[in-house]
Amino acid sequence: KAGVTQTPRYLIKTRGQQVTLSCSPISGHRSVSWYQQTPGQGLQFLFEYFSETQRNKGNFPGRFSGRQFSNSRSEMNVSTLELGDSALYLCASSSLTPGSHYNEQFFGPGTRLTVL
Amino acid sequence: AQKITQTQPGMFVQEKEAVTLDCTYDTSDQSYGLFWYKQPSSGEMIFLIYQGSYDEQNATEGRYSLNFQKARKSANLVISASQLGDSAMYFCAMRVTNQGGKLIFGQGTELSVKP
Repeated sequence: KAGVTQTPRYLIKTRGQQVTLSCSPISGHRSVSWYQQTPGQGLQFLFEYFSETQRNKGNFPGRFSGRQFSNSRSEMNVSTLELGDSALYLCASSSLTPGSHYNEQFFGPGTRLTVL
Repeated sequence: AQKITQTQPGMFVQEKEAVTLDCTYDTSDQSYGLFWYKQPSSGEMIFLIYQGSYDEQNATEGRYSLNFQKARKSANLVISASQLGDSAMYFCAMRVTNQGGKLIFGQGTELSVKP
């Protein structure tokens, strides 16, 4: 079974631009979560999608948005980029169903975004 | 509010020795899960071990075991017989059952294994 894939792996943008990152989960997984990792703030939860619906959202400004398609692939978008958005963005997929106790999240390799 | 605390920013261990990485958590929920992930310098998060809040026995996965002390709200990772390839960042994380797939991570511990 193929793992979680994220594209692109590396990205360089300038302040004020926008960016779209893509995540393809493991086949059959319907839950996709996004995390931002920075040296200062560590790993922070951005949002989670399940069956094309946003189930949960972290404390990020509205510039951060996401969506999930019917094939469970997910995208996240960051508009009006700021220097502080430079980070490793990780996507995780899971076979989690609502109310289940256990979920192992499989992470992708991440997209490293640099904002200049 | 839920929180994970890892108090050891960095640890050193001699190859073939055992090492314990500390993790304490805070939640008022009764149903939750605790995870440990390994992150090599490549950046990918690798799942190591899981412990559910209702599990009575400590979880084990090969050389990894989780020392779960519910009353003390601690979930320490024990790595036995350390190998050079174990050098990496290690993150403790928690998921509360009624919050979907959201994982709350600690700040991590950087483990260095010396030959």
